[in-house]
Amino acid sequence: DAGVTQSPTHLIKTRGQHVTLRCSPISGHKSVSWYQQVLGQGPQFIFQYYEKEERGRGNFPDRFSARQFPNYSSELNVNALLLGDSALYLCASSLGSSSSYEQYFGPGTRLTVT
Amino acid sequence: LAKTTQPISMDSYEGQEVNITCSHNNIATNDYITWYQQFPSQGPRFIIQGYKTKVTNEVASLFIPADRKSSTLSLPRVSLSDTAVYYCLVGDRTGFQKLVFGTGTRLLVSP
Repeated sequence: DAGVTQSPTHLIKTRGQHVTLRCSPISGHKSVSWYQQVLGQGPQFIFQYYEKEERGRGNFPDRFSARQFPNYSSELNVNALLLGDSALYLCASSLGSSSSYEQYFGPGTRLTVT
Repeated sequence: LAKTTQPISMDSYEGQEVNITCSHNNIATNDYITWYQQFPSQGPRFIIQGYKTKVTNEVASLFIPADRKSSTLSLPRVSLSDTAVYYCLVGDRTGFQKLVFGTGTRLLVSP
């Protein structure tokens, strides 16, 4: 069975541009969460979606938004990119919304903002 | 949100048992303790989760004392492939927002 997949794997953008990152959860998983990981730090929670509804939002500016589709895949959008947005963006899926469920992470999208 | 404190790094040799202790003095009654492992350029991987006493799976054991103010992840007979960053997270089960990753413990296993 395929694990969590993310696209693209790498991306280079210029300051002020917009970016869309995509995530496909494991089949049957209804919860998708997004994380930002800066080099040398642990992942920081951005959003959690469950059954197409936002279930959690981390301490990120409104430039960050996300959505979940009927097939449970998800997109993370970042507007007006800043140099500080350069990071590894991780998507994770789980069967349910509770953290009692094991969370499976994808390989991430490496975003570089120049 | 309960704050966790872990050693920044640890060194070990192949075949040894490694114990990584995490301090979480302000853990709440409804909080669980979860450990993740992360290799370079990969997403974290769930290792184990527990509430109290001892939990064991095929990969590791988690020891939680009665006061739950700390926990210890035990990795039996480590190999070179166990070299990774290990994160201790504390939070209730309402959602993943409550599970905060810190900077983790960098474990280096040498031959």
